[in-house]
Amino acid sequence: LAKTTQPISMDSYEGQEVNITCSHNNIATNDYITWYQQFPSQGPRFIIQGYKTKVTNEVASLFIPADRKSSTLSLPRVSLSDTAVYYCLVGDRVTGGGNKLTFGTGTQLKVEL
Amino acid sequence: IAGITQAPTSQILAAGRRMTLRCTQDMRHNAMYWYRQDLGLGLRLIHYSNTAGTTGKGEVPDGYSVSRANTDDFPLTLASAVPSQTSVYFCASSEVESNEQFFGPGTRLTVL
Repeated sequence: LAKTTQPISMDSYEGQEVNITCSHNNIATNDYITWYQQFPSQGPRFIIQGYKTKVTNEVASLFIPADRKSSTLSLPRVSLSDTAVYYCLVGDRVTGGGNKLTFGTGTQLKVEL
Repeated sequence: IAGITQAPTSQILAAGRRMTLRCTQDMRHNAMYWYRQDLGLGLRLIHYSNTAGTTGKGEVPDGYSVSRANTDDFPLTLASAVPSQTSVYFCASSEVESNEQFFGPGTRLTVL
């Protein structure tokens, strides 16, 4: 699985847009990019996944440049409740099996008033 | 039951004792996983199962065993607990070939 690098922490204020960038220089052709969110004392929660260009859902957007060596998770107009750890994962969908995801230490996002 | 549940919520265990952490899902997912998360760190995969009747080792399998007798249940057993197994344990499930895993609420285990 490709190794990922992301900032240890980020601070923001309510109402701002937050962009968290993840580097994955060794991403393989078949690898997808997946982001999870984890609140204290809870299990991680899937946010978004993409392969290339841009993906948007009701929670976030994911921007992936053409070389796919990095990706940016964009959270529009954050609120206090978005304070959490965000994990960037890169991995292949395993044909016929479950996927063994590798979680790094993630980015601790702190949103203040 | 809606989603994935784990039991117990927390447990304090004496070193050397045997302990089984329970995990049940009602989403009919074929794939299930066990992770441990130590303070300030990311999750590390212990064991996984692609389908009932099969299991595989993850990144940190030593000291743990699993079984998958049916689709819904995936218990994790510590045969002889040691203090280094103090951690929060998360169970997860997913559809086959999906990176979207659904996590349980976790079990906080302390081994003294």
